Amino acid sequence: GESVGLHLPTLSVQEGDNSIINCAYSNSASDYFIWYKQESGKGPQFIIDIRSNMDKRQGQRVTVLLNKTVKHLSLQIAATQPGDSAVYFCAENGSSGTYKYIFGTGTRLKVLA
Amino acid sequence: EAGVAQSPRYKIIEKRQSVAFWCNPISGHATLYWYQQILGQGPKLLIQFQNNGVVDDSQLPKDRFSAERLKGVDSTLKIQPAKLEDSAVYLCASSLRTGAYEQYFGPGTRLTVT
Repeated sequence: GESVGLHLPTLSVQEGDNSIINCAYSNSASDYFIWYKQESGKGPQFIIDIRSNMDKRQGQRVTVLLNKTVKHLSLQIAATQPGDSAVYFCAENGSSGTYKYIFGTGTRLKVLA
Repeated sequence: EAGVAQSPRYKIIEKRQSVAFWCNPISGHATLYWYQQILGQGPKLLIQFQNNGVVDDSQLPKDRFSAERLKGVDSTLKIQPAKLEDSAVYLCASSLRTGAYEQYFGPGTRLTVT
């Protein structure tokens, strides 16, 4: 399949370590945010979402943090595994009550064995 | 549950030619999205349908792109005529309905315009 994100920012993490991927979103009116994972040759896959009335949300091995003051999202992956290697995108809904998703530029995560 | 199906997976055409992409969403999903993903970038929403009606097409280049979802199920996206800058992956996604519902993406169609 094609390569996603040939020139994206890259985060290299040792297997078993924790990963933190950051995203600056653009619209202060956005009130719903999603993190996606995209493997080469595949479409994006939903990981976790968060609404603006929350600061933190946890899933299985993943945590999303939202800082509305500085319009910043982060995705934390615990005990990173080789299968976590992919490009990660954050997306925002653009304005309150709408769902016209705006994707960020993405970060490539490389897990080192 | 079957996922979102797209075809073809790859397409190579010359500029000024026409091309069409097909998408079959997950059964029962009312909302369907078409995205354009240029290499190295995040997906950009082109058009969003709720059943067979258009919810948003503000970023669709309407002079050359068109999309339809006549029976509220399958959808086609057409480009006529294609330009070099249309080279991208075209992703289809569906969700249960419009709102804070998980979008499920298909594998995409990679278009190369030469």
